[in-house]
Amino acid sequence: AQSVTQLGSHVSVSEGALVLLRCNYSSSVPPYLFWYVQYPNQGLQLLLKYTSAATLVKGINGFEAEFKKSETSFHLTKPSAHMSDAAEYFCAVRPNAGGTSYGKLTFGQGTILTVHP
Amino acid sequence: DADVTQTPRNRITKTGKRIMLECSQTKGHDRMYWYRQDPGLGLRLIYYSFDVKDINKGEISDGYSVSRQAQAKFSLSLESAIPNQTALYFCATSDYRAPYGYTFGSGTRLTVV
Repeated sequence: AQSVTQLGSHVSVSEGALVLLRCNYSSSVPPYLFWYVQYPNQGLQLLLKYTSAATLVKGINGFEAEFKKSETSFHLTKPSAHMSDAAEYFCAVRPNAGGTSYGKLTFGQGTILTVHP
Repeated sequence: DADVTQTPRNRITKTGKRIMLECSQTKGHDRMYWYRQDPGLGLRLIYYSFDVKDINKGEISDGYSVSRQAQAKFSLSLESAIPNQTALYFCATSDYRAPYGYTFGSGTRLTVV
């Protein structure tokens, strides 16, 4: 079984401030982990992914995330927020091995990021 | 043209009506999925298909059915729509040869009144 918990349904930051969106996962097998972004009235766009190579993963738009197995976490960060980062962000997990869950993405509840001028 | 196309983009329907949401893809992917998105609940898997002859229930399949007409087409039906099926529905695809994530359609916003 696998699950994802995103801590904080809403996060608000000032423009230029650090962005930190938290994600913790549970998986019975080693996971692949993903962050997706959804801008208003749009579909989901892949920000970055962890596929068991480097634990620090860099994505688009200046975002990065670090896989910490000991903490079962995959938090998303960006050093300096921009107004255009305002969106909803989803963490997702899928197993990297066979079994009944193989191939299926499980999503967290989402975090809405607001960026203030 | 989009890689994953969902039709319609928006739909309002009445309680008890049957409605079909359609998804087609040009990615050549073998796997297709239907998710629904509700505020505060993220995306939840309704049905998925790993190939044309393989259909599987997801975590919230009650009240829904699907049809995989071809590798490129995967339709979701609400047999008798009810108001709590009002949601944003997403189709997604993936390829078993490249398991690093999905390609999503733009979504169908369904309102059941």
